[in-house]
Formats: sequence, C-alpha cells, structure tokens
Amino acid sequence: SQKIEQNSEALNIQEGKTATLTCNYTNYSPAYLQWYRQDPGRGPVFLLLIRENEKEKRKERLKVTFDTTLKQSLFHITASQPADSATYLCALRNSGNTPLVFGKGTRLSVIA
Amino acid sequence: ETGVTQTPRHLVMGMTNKKSLKCEQHLGHNAMYWYKQSAKKPLELMFVYSLEERVENNSVPSRFSPECPNSSHLFLHLHTLQPEDSALYLCASSQELKANYGYTFGSGTRLTVV
Repeated sequence: SQKIEQNSEALNIQEGKTATLTCNYTNYSPAYLQWYRQDPGRGPVFLLLIRENEKEKRKERLKVTFDTTLKQSLFHITASQPADSATYLCALRNSGNTPLVFGKGTRLSVIA
Repeated sequence: ETGVTQTPRHLVMGMTNKKSLKCEQHLGHNAMYWYKQSAKKPLELMFVYSLEERVENNSVPSRFSPECPNSSHLFLHLHTLQPEDSALYLCASSQELKANYGYTFGSGTRLTVV
C-alpha cells in the first residue's frame, strides 16, 4: 500500500540549532514533493516544492533535499527560532493531475 | 489572510441539522479542494474541482455534498452528520490541477457534531 511517513510525531530542539525533519514514502513515484507549515487552528501554509530531478532546494533558512533512490526528503531549518515552532507537513503527488497526499506531520518545538 | 476565506470558523451542529461550509478565493485559481483533518491523522482528501467540474470524489459518505457554482466559490453541504465527522475542514486552491503548484489553504472550519 502507499505510505507517507514522517519519522517523528514531535521534535524538540534548542534555539539556534538546525532542525532536520524526515519524510519517507513507499509505493509512490512522485514527480514533486512539497513541504507545508501548519500552526494550531490554522490551515497549512506552502513553503517549498522540489522536483524529482532536483537534489536540493533552498529558501532563506530552509533547505529541502529529495532522494528518489532512498525515497526520502529531508527538511532542514537552520538557526532555528522559537517562532519556527509549528507542525511541518510533507506532501507529494505523482505526475499528472493527481491531488496532493499528505503525511501526518512532525510537531517541531524550538526551545529558547 | 491567505487569499482563501472559509466561513464559519467554528460550527456546532446536531446530528439532524443541515448546514453548509463556504470557501471563497479570489486568487484566480482554477482548482479547489476539500480536505478533512482529524486529530492524529493526515489530511484526508474529500473532493476536487477543476474549472467548476468535480474530478474526484474520494469515497466520501453522501451526507457530505459539495457544490462549486463558479471557480471562486466552493461549498460543502452537511446533513445528518455523525459525531465522528467532527474535525477541521480545510478548503484549498491551486492555480491548476498540475503537480508543480503549491496549494493555498484557508484557515478551516472547526466542526463539532453533537
């Protein structure tokens, strides 16, 4: 069966450190993978999209990698801040017009 | 605000009630979606509309009935719901159905069925 697994339900890190979140998938061949941030009681907010032929994508303090051999994406937040505390969702879709499928998310807490 | 507006933000309804959730976007997007988010579960896709035509119905019970009168508005009509339908209902839009666009979500409607 198809699965998207985000390895930790919750992750606590110290302010200033790099947070690394993992997204693994099985029985998908995604052409695109996306990451979203969700704050409590709010809808997810789109952060980054990475294509299957891209190894790495950066946006300010965020970095995403995509390894189609390992079937894994890593999401990094460098110099983390308490304001980065939120749930981060991985989402993917195969090529074509299939809608996004989401993982359960990882709740990140950055402690001052 | 994200550009996708959902009303109401909170809704409490009895199992015999009929209510509707509304979603509105003025981003010029052609695709709109309903997702359900329950505690400890990933977002579950319910319905997909592209250019006002329903393109996907993800085995959703008939007590949920979507309506897309134009590309800017999406409704979810609810009737005779069950307590397990209590969840956060999220509307999203994207420029096209194609894979290389991120979704813009509304803030959701928190639904409680009593």
